[in-house]
Amino acid sequence: SQQGEEDPQALSIQEGENATMNCSYKTSINNLQWYRQNSGRGLVHLILIRSNEREKHSGRLRVTLDTSKKSSSLLITASRAADTASYFCATVWKGAQKLVFGQGTRLTINP
Amino acid sequence: DVKVTQSSRYLVKRTGEKVFLECVQDMDHENMFWYRQDPGLGLRLIYFSYDVKMKEKGDIPEGYSVSREKKERFSLILESASTNQTSMYLCASRELRDSKDNEQFFGPGTRLTVL
Repeated sequence: SQQGEEDPQALSIQEGENATMNCSYKTSINNLQWYRQNSGRGLVHLILIRSNEREKHSGRLRVTLDTSKKSSSLLITASRAADTASYFCATVWKGAQKLVFGQGTRLTINP
Repeated sequence: DVKVTQSSRYLVKRTGEKVFLECVQDMDHENMFWYRQDPGLGLRLIYFSYDVKMKEKGDIPEGYSVSREKKERFSLILESASTNQTSMYLCASRELRDSKDNEQFFGPGTRLTVL
């Protein structure tokens, strides 16, 4: 498969806890992006990290990228019920202009 | 804010019908994309367009065609709908042809059921 792998496929935690999702990919990339999808809706862009960056923050989100391991992680701190959604990583391959999506992690935040 | 709209949220069609899914973006983006999303398979790229009247096949173009006559509008056409085309269809747009760093903006999706 050309797609990346996300781990875990589903995650359920209590409100206030931190949530960590992982993404692995298979080829050299220009950048990696994370998107959120609320149930039955379109995707919303969360954060982009370039191949020459190792860590990036945006509000309660922290993304890391390890190009030697071809992997990334998304950390959501102090989770809220509104964070319940599916989270997808997507990579832009070197030499290509399209995004390649992973299969997503379904995150449930329990109040 | 960028707005990407899709013509229908839900659509039910019969096998063999010709189906048009319309997507419109209001931010003058050059690039537009059509994906389908299926459980266990994630998002898969059907077709994309760099600019008006330009189109490129994605990963799963079979059974589909597209039209981009105006910059803001990108249409996905199912020439003869089949039950295996039942899916969620997502349209997206992106600014600038040569920028590989830009995010994609997605529409709300069209859930198509083919009976």
